[in-house]
Amino acid sequence: DQQVKQNSPSLSVQEGRISILNCDYTNSMFDYFLWYKKYPAEGPTFLISISSIKDKNEDGRFTVFLNKSAKHLSLHIVPSQPGDSAVYFCAAGEETSGSRLTFGEGTQLTVNP
Amino acid sequence: NAGVTQTPKFQVLKTGQSMTLQCAQDMNHNSMYWYRQDPGMGLRLIYYSASEGTTDKGEVPNGYNVSRLNKREFSLRLESAAPSQTSVYFCASSERAWVNQPQHFGDGTRLSIL
Repeated sequence: DQQVKQNSPSLSVQEGRISILNCDYTNSMFDYFLWYKKYPAEGPTFLISISSIKDKNEDGRFTVFLNKSAKHLSLHIVPSQPGDSAVYFCAAGEETSGSRLTFGEGTQLTVNP
Repeated sequence: NAGVTQTPKFQVLKTGQSMTLQCAQDMNHNSMYWYRQDPGMGLRLIYYSASEGTTDKGEVPNGYNVSRLNKREFSLRLESAAPSQTSVYFCASSERAWVNQPQHFGDGTRLSIL
């Protein structure tokens, strides 16, 4: 039972355009969401997060949107840069239940110069 | 600043052999985690340690044991390796055992079991 799903295994965009990565979840108890970025042969690195009390969080070129009614979140990268090419994982957890995270399968983003 | 260090980076084992994966963090974090990543799947939690002296099972603990040796070190042991345990293993740490504390990952151990 995959509680966090990233339905697009890959995404290709042109440099300077917007990248939109999507993530859906089924567990209504999830109330905290994170995005991680992973380069080949490296561990994931934290990118941005959002609590369920918000519907948007921005950090520079990165914005995460949360639609609780649809159980959907998205990561927007504007403008996209070649260095953004990586695998992006979304993760979800319950703030009152410790630190256990459930990860999605990941989306490979390729930004073409 | 090393962050989270995993050793070894690569290992090949035969079925039935045992092995311990080592993890150390230098960020004075209280909580540590072991994940595995398989093709087409996200990271799955094997075991975690919310604080020194405690360990708990994650989503896929069968076939593994862990030891929180001290605040810095958290090891993962495969007692009798099986081909299904071929995977990339990541260790992570966080300041506290809360989901709003981002986890910091090591670069992984790629383990193949023949």
